[in-house]
Amino acid sequence: GDSVTQMEGPVTLSEEAFLTINCTYTATGYPSLFWYVQYPGEGLQLLLKATKADDKGSNKGFEATYRKETTSFHLEKGSVQVSDSAVYFCALRGQGNLIFGKGTKLSVKP
Amino acid sequence: EAGVTQFPSHSVIEKGQTVTLRCDPISGHDNLYWYRRVMGKEIKFLLHFVKESKQDESGMPNNRFLAERTGGTYSTLKVQPAELEDSGVYFCASSQGGIFRVNTEAFFGQGTRLTVV
Repeated sequence: GDSVTQMEGPVTLSEEAFLTINCTYTATGYPSLFWYVQYPGEGLQLLLKATKADDKGSNKGFEATYRKETTSFHLEKGSVQVSDSAVYFCALRGQGNLIFGKGTKLSVKP
Repeated sequence: EAGVTQFPSHSVIEKGQTVTLRCDPISGHDNLYWYRRVMGKEIKFLLHFVKESKQDESGMPNNRFLAERTGGTYSTLKVQPAELEDSGVYFCASSQGGIFRVNTEAFFGQGTRLTVV
């Protein structure tokens, strides 16, 4: 069945460092891909999405490109801030419901 | 506009006890979902309501879990009796259309952290 694999955390970076969180997927057909974020004490929020191959989703300085050839949707940010500390979940939506990865906890130190 | 709210935010219960989690979706959202994240693992789908009807309950782990959505408004998820492996964070989400539609966004609550000891 459909599945999402994302890099294990935790990830600890210094402020202004470059961030990459890898995400690959297995799915039949052409799923939509998402990154959700959960800040401490808050609910899951949609960070960005892409609905077809080569689409780039972007929000709050984060970007991810839907790569069908490598079945990937890696999350990147050029310069992280302390306020980006959170748990990040990669997800796909195929024919039915959302399927999530295990989440990657990011801690950004000043 | 209020978002999806869940109660309680944290619950600690003993094995064998009963716990009821509540979710209030965004007003007007017919679709309501329950998900669960067991420590360190994926967030997994439990079930989906459309109004008061269960559209898909394929993710419910066993018959100790009972979900209801009376009147198509708020929903409750009861675990009875609770077991140690039920510990985790339970998320609720709501959406206007079905989540399988391309431009439909699901809005999540902050989750209820359940600890069974």
